[in-house]
Amino acid sequence: DVKVTQSSRYLVKRTGEKVFLECVQDMDHENMFWYRQDPGLGLRLIYFSYDVKMKEKGDIPEGYSVSREKKERFSLILESASTNQTSMYLCASSLSGRSYGYTFGSGTRLTVV
Amino acid sequence: SQKIEQNSEALNIQEGKTATLTCNYTNYSPAYLQWYRQDPGRGPVFLLLIRENEKEKRKERLKVTFDTTLKQSLFHITASQPADSATYLCALADSGNTPLVFGKGTRLSVIA
Repeated sequence: DVKVTQSSRYLVKRTGEKVFLECVQDMDHENMFWYRQDPGLGLRLIYFSYDVKMKEKGDIPEGYSVSREKKERFSLILESASTNQTSMYLCASSLSGRSYGYTFGSGTRLTVV
Repeated sequence: SQKIEQNSEALNIQEGKTATLTCNYTNYSPAYLQWYRQDPGRGPVFLLLIRENEKEKRKERLKVTFDTTLKQSLFHITASQPADSATYLCALADSGNTPLVFGKGTRLSVIA
């Protein structure tokens, strides 16, 4: 069964900590994405990548960075966690091209205290 | 500005009825539109994709329509069941290989 795996389901971090969220897909997908989801705001795109070592900013990249050293792995980094980064983080992957659905991971619920 | 609106935040229907969810968009020219299901605390799951040259797409009890003139997609679940209760998201991408933009979703509750 093909899937996207996010390393943690729940995470609690302190303000100012550097946080790493890991995402691995086993479908040989070219495209990978990081979204955050908040009540009333829906899914918002943070960063995406269409190839290894390639990254593009989404709609809300401030306070985040990403790394894609291998095709199957896309990491989201919170450089200095803040309470307004408390959210559900969702990783997704897809084949290249416009007519493919995304496969999402189960999400990481991050709480910054 | 560009907008995707799912008109109802929540929809309650009785078991056995047809649920109809609406997705409207503004200032996009999507070549296709997608629908996802999301259960609480989980990631969205892809259901259907419909292309701009397709008026209607069906998959089991699901039916999606796409009207590029009205800039609207309708998502129908026939013979709805309590297990269909979830949040349903529409998503689209503008021309080119741009990432999907998602609507905020409609929370469907099917009451037995």
